[in-house]
Amino acid sequence: GAVVSQHPSWVICKSGTSVKIECRSLDFQATTMFWYRQFPKQSLMLMATSNEGSKATYEQGVEKDKFLINHASLTLSTLTVTSAHPEDSSFYICSARRPGTGVRRDQPQHFGDGTRLSIL
Amino acid sequence: QKEVEQNSGPLSVPEGAIASLNCTYSDRGSQSFFWYRQYSGKSPELIMFIYSNGDKEDGRFTAQLNKASQYVSLLIRDSQPSDSATYLCAVLRGSYKLIFGSGTRLLVRP
Repeated sequence: GAVVSQHPSWVICKSGTSVKIECRSLDFQATTMFWYRQFPKQSLMLMATSNEGSKATYEQGVEKDKFLINHASLTLSTLTVTSAHPEDSSFYICSARRPGTGVRRDQPQHFGDGTRLSIL
Repeated sequence: QKEVEQNSGPLSVPEGAIASLNCTYSDRGSQSFFWYRQYSGKSPELIMFIYSNGDKEDGRFTAQLNKASQYVSLLIRDSQPSDSATYLCAVLRGSYKLIFGSGTRLLVRP
């Protein structure tokens, strides 16, 4: 079964709205979670690394004030797209790293099912 | 130069044929490599991982790694229409950060 749950799976909203996406690890405590964005026919682009209890680390070119990440507990990270505009429409995917297993080269991350965001 | 490069395809093969997907990477120090399958509108699903030079087989899938030439490939034997998807090559940076290629779209014709 799924080990990472992402909610909602689909969001349609008006331009200017802020949208929150949740990512939960279901059977383990995830000290590190990742947020990706994928535009149509393109690959997953890492947006940020979310660390429990500390500030997220954003990749180059990602606006931290636009994409707010909160990792307040060991099982939940949230991504808030503030004042969303049509160009923010994309497929957002989170993943979680299962800690305590050293360098798990065989499964470094567990992915959620993704959230399709459509801004009108 | 992109860190992980793949031909976008589509790669079209008839049912029952061998599909060969290729990936090159730029960081010579990379140690771990992954192939993910992604159906349209879904999140990636891990197919294979490899970190030693040579071949690694798992059912109909074989991953091949050549660190000297910095390429990774995925062979799918006896391709089925259900294998039609986008295949993403990923390289592990550090202990848990994945860098993805742009993916190759595979179409298996019945």
